[in-house]
Amino acid sequence: GAGVSQSPRYKVAKRGQDVALRCDPISGHVSLFWYQQALGQGPEFLTYFQNEAQLDKSGLPSDRFFAERPEGSVSTLKIQRTQQEDSAVYLCASSLTGVFGNTIYFGEGSWLTVV
Amino acid sequence: QKEVEQNSGPLSVPEGAIASLNCTYSDRGSQSFFWYRQYSGKSPELIMSIYSNGDKEDGRFTAQLNKASQYVSLLIRDSQPSDSATYLCAVYSGGYQKVTFGIGTKLQVIP
Repeated sequence: GAGVSQSPRYKVAKRGQDVALRCDPISGHVSLFWYQQALGQGPEFLTYFQNEAQLDKSGLPSDRFFAERPEGSVSTLKIQRTQQEDSAVYLCASSLTGVFGNTIYFGEGSWLTVV
Repeated sequence: QKEVEQNSGPLSVPEGAIASLNCTYSDRGSQSFFWYRQYSGKSPELIMSIYSNGDKEDGRFTAQLNKASQYVSLLIRDSQPSDSATYLCAVYSGGYQKVTFGIGTKLQVIP
């Protein structure tokens, strides 16, 4: 596609509900990133995929957060038993391959509000 | 201490002036440095990347890097109201593909 596409754009979840956020990266991009951006803060790294391999998940805040990219293209970020502190914008980004020397393109984000 | 420090602002400058945005980072081994612009409610957009000491110019934007001082800055010449946004400084330290962002500086260009 022309850019990184995320869905849903907006999600309101009741506390305790599970949510799934989808990311469709730019076609041909090997690298895929998930970031979390709370209101008034900069993006915080969650996890990184190279093709289907999740090479870094050091930023996932708890075991309620799970990400996958089974076929090396579309990725899903799943949050189980959502809590109010999970309210944030979840940004997906992709690059041709890695960070160094490459441009990272961000999607418009999925805005999650937990009530 | 946060890994990437920025003043959150707001920084207000009159139209046509030079806006100077600053950022410091803690990891001396950092390799790549980025400036992203983020309009309210929108996603970050890369405007400059810099990898070596010195200045890098692109149109009205100049990025400056001083690795000895662990300092990176962005100058915007002839500021326009359309430049009003939050500017995020981001740093890549190599190894894992993790880019660390600062809190962002909110810039307001006053017509």
